[in-house]
Amino acid sequence: QVQLQESGPGLVKPSETLSLTCSVSGGSIINYYWIWVRQPAGKGLEWLGRVYSSGSTNYSPSLKSRLSMSVDTPKNQFSLKLASVTAADTAVYFCARVRAYEFDYWGQGILVTVS
Amino acid sequence: QTVVTQEPSFSVSPGGTVTLTCGSNVGSVSTSHYPSWYQQAPGQAPRTLIYNTNTRSSGVPSRFSGSILGTKAALTITGAQADDESDYYCALYVGNGHLFGGGTKLTVL
Repeated sequence: QVQLQESGPGLVKPSETLSLTCSVSGGSIINYYWIWVRQPAGKGLEWLGRVYSSGSTNYSPSLKSRLSMSVDTPKNQFSLKLASVTAADTAVYFCARVRAYEFDYWGQGILVTVS
Repeated sequence: QTVVTQEPSFSVSPGGTVTLTCGSNVGSVSTSHYPSWYQQAPGQAPRTLIYNTNTRSSGVPSRFSGSILGTKAALTITGAQADDESDYYCALYVGNGHLFGGGTKLTVL
């Protein structure tokens, strides 16, 4: 059974960089797309971007200037960095696996507060 | 800029049928948008129900079905149950990425 687990600081100061990692167990990171989704409290889901196991990326246009994603295949994990954060970036961040347009496995989410 | 639209709220009686829709402000939704649907309970990660317009994810009951109805993608719940009360999100594949709709809060009463 594939499992995803987000990790990273729960508190980030304004103007700093938010860094999160998603660790994948029970399956390989190879040959899949991996995505990040976030959800501010009481609001809807927002797709942030995707990274392929080769390292190629696509980002949400609204975040493209601040966002980067990468893959560490030996560690079977992928990461997100969001620069110059503000309070508007406070949210629960989820990672998920993509298989043929299906987000088939999700992490439990991690709350990141910018303050 | 594309905006994905969903009804903010809907209600259905237990045992009833409800259809939630997913539209786009720039035109019709088609299978080329690979519409997908997600259920999210409070405090939980989303659960994928439907992908590729009408394919149920593993373990999803057959009362959930997806389709294209006119210019929108649709999620139909046939024989709604109490534990179907939840938030439902759709997503469309647009320009090498996905866009989520604002979500529909479904009440079963």
